[in-house]
Amino acid sequence: GAGVSQSPSNKVTEKGKDVELRCDPISGHTALYWYRQSLGQGLEFLIYFQGNSAPDKSGLPSDRFSAERTGGSVSTLTIQRTQQEDSAVYLCASSPDRGLTDTQYFGPGTRLTVL
Amino acid sequence: AQSVTQLGSHVSVSEGALVLLRCNYSSSVPPYLFWYVQYPNQGLQLLLKYTSAATLVKGINGFEAEFKKSDTSIHLTKPSAHMSDAAEYFCAVSGGSNYKLTFGKGTLLTVNP
Repeated sequence: GAGVSQSPSNKVTEKGKDVELRCDPISGHTALYWYRQSLGQGLEFLIYFQGNSAPDKSGLPSDRFSAERTGGSVSTLTIQRTQQEDSAVYLCASSPDRGLTDTQYFGPGTRLTVL
Repeated sequence: AQSVTQLGSHVSVSEGALVLLRCNYSSSVPPYLFWYVQYPNQGLQLLLKYTSAATLVKGINGFEAEFKKSDTSIHLTKPSAHMSDAAEYFCAVSGGSNYKLTFGKGTLLTVNP
């Protein structure tokens, strides 16, 4: 079946602009994660959605970052007033259930460049 | 808190040689450990995962890993490297109530002909 898809694959924006990144998880997967991959920080957890539970936002680096998940499926990560340090690859992952041994399936990522 | 340390940011081997990528973890609860591979411009793909069922874990593409609690390690090995193994490899940990993955910095594997 189809894997996790993300759009756009690349995004170039100017400092101060807002951006929206989209993630379509694998059908039927109830858990959805956002991670950020940057040269300086490696792979970092950002936010986690599980069903109708309140999301775990503990990894969001600032209040400029927010995310929502509509209808338990598609998720959008929004970065307001982008800064150059936001430049990174944003990875989305989904898994079938909230289990510690679940495999997280990753999308190809969105490469964000802030000029 | 959990953490992962991958020893060696870059490992270079010859085709046909043994691949050994090192990973040590720190966890105050029984850990679940994962190895992922990332090819250029792609997302992460699971190679294998340790879930406490067995200490020797076999993964895809001929990779395997041995969990050693005494060393707090789960090193990744493959007996014979292939050119297609060239990629970046990430070790990650979860456990307790922590479902999110904490990743190591990654090891870039190059395979020389």
